[in-house]
Amino acid sequence: DSGVTQTPKHLITATGQRVTLRCSPRSGDLSVYWYQQSLDQGLQFLIQYYNGEERAKGNILERFSAQQFPDLHSELNLSSLELGDSALYFCASSRTTWDNEQFFGPGTRLTVL
Amino acid sequence: LAKTTQPISMDSYEGQEVNITCSHNNIATNDYITWYQQFPSQGPRFIIQGYKTKVTNEVASLFIPADRKSSTLSLPRVSLSDTAVYYCLVGAFSGNTPLVFGKGTRLSVIA
Repeated sequence: DSGVTQTPKHLITATGQRVTLRCSPRSGDLSVYWYQQSLDQGLQFLIQYYNGEERAKGNILERFSAQQFPDLHSELNLSSLELGDSALYFCASSRTTWDNEQFFGPGTRLTVL
Repeated sequence: LAKTTQPISMDSYEGQEVNITCSHNNIATNDYITWYQQFPSQGPRFIIQGYKTKVTNEVASLFIPADRKSSTLSLPRVSLSDTAVYYCLVGAFSGNTPLVFGKGTRLSVIA
């Protein structure tokens, strides 16, 4: 158990819909990272927040957005969903903003029908 | 951003030592080498990290030659539960260069 929690575990929705994925980092961790893992693309970094502020951006689509709240939990919002958005979404956390050692949550499996 | 090359897959018998080599020819001076392990449908798990020479922890050893253009993850006496994908990453996480996970090496341990 990494100490990172993600909800929900599974999510099934339809194209065009909007969903919110939630992540609670390990106690004391200030950075939260979001990753998408699909069969054909592997593990792709989406975005990072540090202590409430956006720190780094990867291959995140404009339809996707995220935020980190004062209690340090984070939410990833996916809108106008497409079939290709079906994937495992992982959240990870780390103590500072410069950590190669990240602690990953169990993931949310999103299925878009 | 240093690119890494590692074997797509490897097979090993239980009890053997497994060495997975990663090439990173254009590693930068301030880059670290980090290895992660991932089981199916689970998040990756940090295994080990190093900058040069040898690093050992309770799980694995990491060997890095002087030129740092490659590294070898060594797993002693593997068991069936070590069957997973192993990722080699190179970089120093910053605002402009996040960790890049490649395809990894799929290790299959056979009884």
